[in-house]
Amino acid sequence: AQTVTQSQPEMSVQEAETVTLSCTYDTSESDYYLFWYKQPPSRQMILVIRQEAYKQQNATENRFSVNFQKAAKSFSLKISDSQLGDAAMYFCAYRSARWETSGSRLTFGEGTQLTVNP
Amino acid sequence: DVKVTQSSRYLVKRTGEKVFLECVQDMDHENMFWYRQDPGLGLRLIYFSYDVKMKEKGDIPEGYSVSREKKERFSLILESASTNQTSMYLCASSLWLEQFFGPGTRLTVL
Repeated sequence: AQTVTQSQPEMSVQEAETVTLSCTYDTSESDYYLFWYKQPPSRQMILVIRQEAYKQQNATENRFSVNFQKAAKSFSLKISDSQLGDAAMYFCAYRSARWETSGSRLTFGEGTQLTVNP
Repeated sequence: DVKVTQSSRYLVKRTGEKVFLECVQDMDHENMFWYRQDPGLGLRLIYFSYDVKMKEKGDIPEGYSVSREKKERFSLILESASTNQTSMYLCASSLWLEQFFGPGTRLTVL
């Protein structure tokens, strides 16, 4: 079974600075997907960014980028130019590419609460 | 835009009551999911469904059941609510990769 670990329960950053959230995972599979989801105080989960394991290039979405290290099974999220609206709980998630073994289910990490200080 | 709605934002029930949590999605998605969210534990999968009347157990199915009679609706049932089922419950749907989430139901069992 796959596991996802987020070792930072809480992080804080100054507005306009850069912060990196860590995520490690354990799997015996070679093909899979990794995600970062954001849950603001409204509780509405929003997809931030996605990475396909077969792609060597790190995914980027505007101010959000990932550092995907497949051999190390590490998937960190970097938020540049942090804004007050980035304050939220961030979850790392894993999805197998093999539908027959686990369907389209996600396995989530424990979450990291990000505070953005003005 | 995909919309996933859940029947209640907040719910208070008593121990032993039968509880129904409803989830509806409007994008004709095949897959639907029920998660439970607890501090320090992240989201844990209770049940999921990949088609009407089809269901699969997730990681923590004990004490729960589900029903999917129509494609757009996925219900989570607590047969006899207990205090350890006090939690946030999140529903999600997906067609392929991305899961779209509802706003969650915060359930308190007294």
